Parts: sequence; structure tokens; C-alpha cells
Amino acid sequence: EIVLTQSPGTLSLSPGERATLSCRASQSVTSTYLAWYQQKPGQAPRLLIYGASSRATGIPDRFSGSGSGTDFTLTISRLEPEDFAVYYCQQYGSSRYTFGQGTKLEIK
Amino acid sequence: EVQLVQSGAEVKKPGESLRISCKGSGYSFTSYWISWVRQMPGKGLEWMGRIDPSDSYTNYSPSFQGHVTISADKSISTAYLQWSSLKASDTAMYYCVRISSGWSPGMDVWGQGTTVTVSS
Repeated sequence: EIVLTQSPGTLSLSPGERATLSCRASQSVTSTYLAWYQQKPGQAPRLLIYGASSRATGIPDRFSGSGSGTDFTLTISRLEPEDFAVYYCQQYGSSRYTFGQGTKLEIK
Repeated sequence: EVQLVQSGAEVKKPGESLRISCKGSGYSFTSYWISWVRQMPGKGLEWMGRIDPSDSYTNYSPSFQGHVTISADKSISTAYLQWSSLKASDTAMYYCVRISSGWSPGMDVWGQGTTVTVSS
């Protein structure tokens, strides 16, 4: 089973700053099968990025994804107040999905 | 509007059985896989398994295989997650999700979640 490790566990930043979230896989992941989700308190997660770098419908262009192989990154170019949430990466392979443990993005 | 609507919160005792539901609307229910995702209190997301509603083919995470059953009734566009004997450790929020049928199988539509509480 592929294990996804996200870092940092918590990221403290201010609105307007740039956020860089990391997702590292225990073995190579096909980029097509790497996604990112955002979850706000009391809400269901929502799909942000699929195929490692494609934004889902309605996702602002300040969100971008990159990476390949075992290292993937979610970047938020300029943080808005509504971006403070928990972010999960996810991969699909061998007919199963796994999630990273999440990165909490909090207001500094 | 594409949506998945889940059944309401449940409070059960250990050893009891339970089935929760997820009804899809606004799209062709048999054209997309449905998965279930668990989130224990204060914890992250865990994929449980998935079903192809067109033929009810399923596959499960090894962590959940044998502990839950995923099924679907395509005639009413509804998927189910069931337990035959609940444990306190099954206390969690459960989400059904639609798996995108495009080139990248992301989870593009989420239900609102069903809270399951198991307590004596």
C-alpha cells in the first residue's frame, strides 16, 4: 500500500502570504491519480486538484498543484481568509485509494 | 444540480446492525462509481471501498474488508453502507462520494456526511 506523508502538519500564515504544502509518497504515484482536497470545519471535503495539476470546477486560480513521482505540492499563491482549512492529498493505485494525514493551514 | 444526499445521524448500541444510505441525483447514477470514506472524530480521511452501481461490483480497503458491506440499488439511485455488528470504534462521520469518470478518478461530489455514534 502506498503511504502518503504530508508536511508540515500545521502551517501558520497570514492572509496574503503564499502557502506551500507537501505530499510525499512511499513509492512512485502516477500523476493522473494524485488529487488534493480541502476540508473546512463542519463541512465535507471538496475536490481542489486532480491529475496532480488540474483545478476542479469552480476552484480559484490561486490554487495550483505540481509534482511527479513521489513528491507533490499544493500551492496557494495569496491566501484569502476562506483558505484556512485542512488539506489532504490522495492517490489511487492498485484499485484502492489512500489519503495523507492532512495539513492544517491556520491563521497566524 | 448534481448531489449526493445521505441519511440522517444514527445512535446505536454495540452489537446492533445498521445501514446508511446515499441517494444520487442530477446525473446518471450508473455511470459513476460511489465510494465511502470514514472520518473518525478529530482525525483524517480513510477510504473504505467502492461500488460500481451499474453491476454492483465492489472492492474494499483491506482495513475494512469483512467489517462493512457496500451495496447499491440502481433502480432508486441509492448506495448503502452497512454493518452487521457495530463496535464503539465505528463511531465516526461517513461520507459517500462520487468518483469522477474522467481521465483522473478524483472524488468530485461529496455527500453531506452521516454521523454514526455507537455507545452503550
